[in-house]
Amino acid sequence: DIQMTQSPSTLSASVGDRVTITCRASQSVSTWLAWYQQKPENAPKLLIYKASSLETGVPSRFSGSGSGTEFTLTISSLQPEDFATYYCQQYYSYSTFGQGTKVEI
Amino acid sequence: QLQLQESGPGLVKASETLSLTCAVAGGSISDRTFYGGWIRQRPGRGLEWIGNIYYSGSTYYNPSLKSRVTISVDTSKNHLSLQLTSVTAADTALYYCARAKEPTSYDLLTGYLLRSFDIWGRGTMVTVSS
Repeated sequence: DIQMTQSPSTLSASVGDRVTITCRASQSVSTWLAWYQQKPENAPKLLIYKASSLETGVPSRFSGSGSGTEFTLTISSLQPEDFATYYCQQYYSYSTFGQGTKVEI
Repeated sequence: QLQLQESGPGLVKASETLSLTCAVAGGSISDRTFYGGWIRQRPGRGLEWIGNIYYSGSTYYNPSLKSRVTISVDTSKNHLSLQLTSVTAADTALYYCARAKEPTSYDLLTGYLLRSFDIWGRGTMVTVSS
């Protein structure tokens, strides 16, 4: 199975900061990678699919990049509503999620 | 706008079968584009993919759960179903159903068709009691 490892596990940031979260796959997943945001008591929300495609309605401050085994999610200017946990998901071979990155103040 | 709503018993005894349904509103499962899946989240932990089902009935399962999982669709009721047999405490989780959106990844080794998930239900909590 393909393992997905996110770093860091927790990230402390302030409003206005540029934030980068990394997701590494144990083997290549090409660009079959998605990013989700989850807030407490809510279902995950799709932000990015196919590594870099922004989901409709998601603010342009979110961007994704990468291919193969290394991917990044970048928030260009952190907003108060962005404090949440972020997950990556590979859907190249079966499907697996990363363990999550909590973005906190 | 498509909406999904999970339902089922909140408590299941160990060794029994967990059965959940996911009602689909605002769209038809019979639509040839429909593709859905189940994902779970154990308390305080991350997300785990359970499996997907295509409108045609083709299913794709997490290999770690495959021997115990059945996902099906009922077009007359416009809902998805999940059955998980021989449950243990490790199956205690919040269970989500979700719609899987294009584009589609084709896994050459397994023949699986895989996607990301763009519309999620609110989830239903299932606790397995001993």
